Amino acid sequence: AQSVTQLGSHVSVSEGALVLLRCNYSSSVPPYLFWYVQYPNQGLQLLLKYTSAATLVKGINGFEAEFKKSETSFHLTKPSAHMSDAAEYFCAVRAGGFKTIFGAGTRLFVKA
Amino acid sequence: SAVISQKPSRDICQRGTSLTIQCQVDSQVTMMFWYRQQPGQSLTLIATANQGSEATYESGFVIDKFPISRPNLTFSTLTVSNMSPEDSSIYLCSVVGTSGSPSTDTQYFGPGTRLTVL
Repeated sequence: AQSVTQLGSHVSVSEGALVLLRCNYSSSVPPYLFWYVQYPNQGLQLLLKYTSAATLVKGINGFEAEFKKSETSFHLTKPSAHMSDAAEYFCAVRAGGFKTIFGAGTRLFVKA
Repeated sequence: SAVISQKPSRDICQRGTSLTIQCQVDSQVTMMFWYRQQPGQSLTLIATANQGSEATYESGFVIDKFPISRPNLTFSTLTVSNMSPEDSSIYLCSVVGTSGSPSTDTQYFGPGTRLTVL
């Protein structure tokens, strides 16, 4: 069975600072990993996905994530935070089929 | 890509009643799912809607409480039965399978149905 752990339910950064949202996964088979963003009162939007090609994955809005098998991690980063990045971010894992399991989410706050 | 619409977008219901949520996709998809997102929490998978057969429910969810239909490849309904305040949540329809490969298929989500039970 697969699972996802997101470290930190809330992360606060200053505008222009590095964004780092942590995600660790557990899977008995090679996983596919995803990051989604949810803005207030909206549905989920895919930021990026890892599908066993390049370990460094670039997504929309300047975000990227690196798959590290040895650490079972898939942390999300962005070099410079923008006010519009304030949202809820979900890490998710899909292994052995189409069913996707989501982490608890990390709410990102961006301070001016 | 897939564009998903859900109806209703929100509703306020009395306890003991039932609500049926509709999910319509603009293209044929392999898999359709129903998720629940309780206030301030993550998404929990309720069930996989199977075309032409009974849905596959996750642990903690039963057909009597959440009957699901999927008559074709573009439409599904979720009914929340005999509602209680604990059912207040956002219910999300999701699809995968526009290309047939779990590795490359993006999972798309509907805008959600915000349910409040009084």
